[in-house]
Amino acid sequence: AQSVTQLGSHVSVSEGALVLLRCNYSSSVPPYLFWYVQYPNQGLQLLLKYTTGATLVKGINGFEAEFKKSETSFHLTKPSAHMSDAAEYFCAVSEGSSNTGKLIFGQGTTLQVKP
Amino acid sequence: DAGVIQSPRHEVTEMGQEVTLRCKPISGHDYLFWYRQTMMRGLELLIYFNNNVPIDDSGMPEDRFSAKMPNASFSTLKIQPSEPRDSAVYFCASALGRGKIIYRFFGPGTRLTVL
Repeated sequence: AQSVTQLGSHVSVSEGALVLLRCNYSSSVPPYLFWYVQYPNQGLQLLLKYTTGATLVKGINGFEAEFKKSETSFHLTKPSAHMSDAAEYFCAVSEGSSNTGKLIFGQGTTLQVKP
Repeated sequence: DAGVIQSPRHEVTEMGQEVTLRCKPISGHDYLFWYRQTMMRGLELLIYFNNNVPIDDSGMPEDRFSAKMPNASFSTLKIQPSEPRDSAVYFCASALGRGKIIYRFFGPGTRLTVL
């Protein structure tokens, strides 16, 4: 069975500071990994994804994440936070080569950006 | 190109009433998913369809919940009778499979309040 753990339900950073949102996963098969962002009263928007190939993936809005198999991690980073980055972020995992359709989400991390 | 469309965006109803949530997936997508988001349980997959056929409904909480996809451009999620614990945000998502599901596009959600 797969699972996702997001460390820290709430992260607060100052504008301009590094953003680091942590995600660890468990999967018995090579995973596909995703980060989604949810702004207030909106649906989920894909930030970036890892399927195969390069382990450092870049997404929208300056975010990137690195797949580290040895650490079973897929942490999300951004060098400099903007006020507009304040939102809830979800890490998710699906079975890499499966058509089960199941995407397992973490509990989410709320990012607060202080001026 | 329009994204996933959900209606209504907000629904307030009284316990015992029937509720119908609607979803129009992105044109050409062959997978459709219904998710529920609550503070307590996070994002849960309720059911998903492939080519209009329900594939996995193991996440549907009770017999009070039912979902249909009569054609490739429309799906409904019905709750009858509704209960206060059904209050949540319900998201519809669609995806293009081509044998592998890569990532889902989410709709804006329907916020359901059952009094």
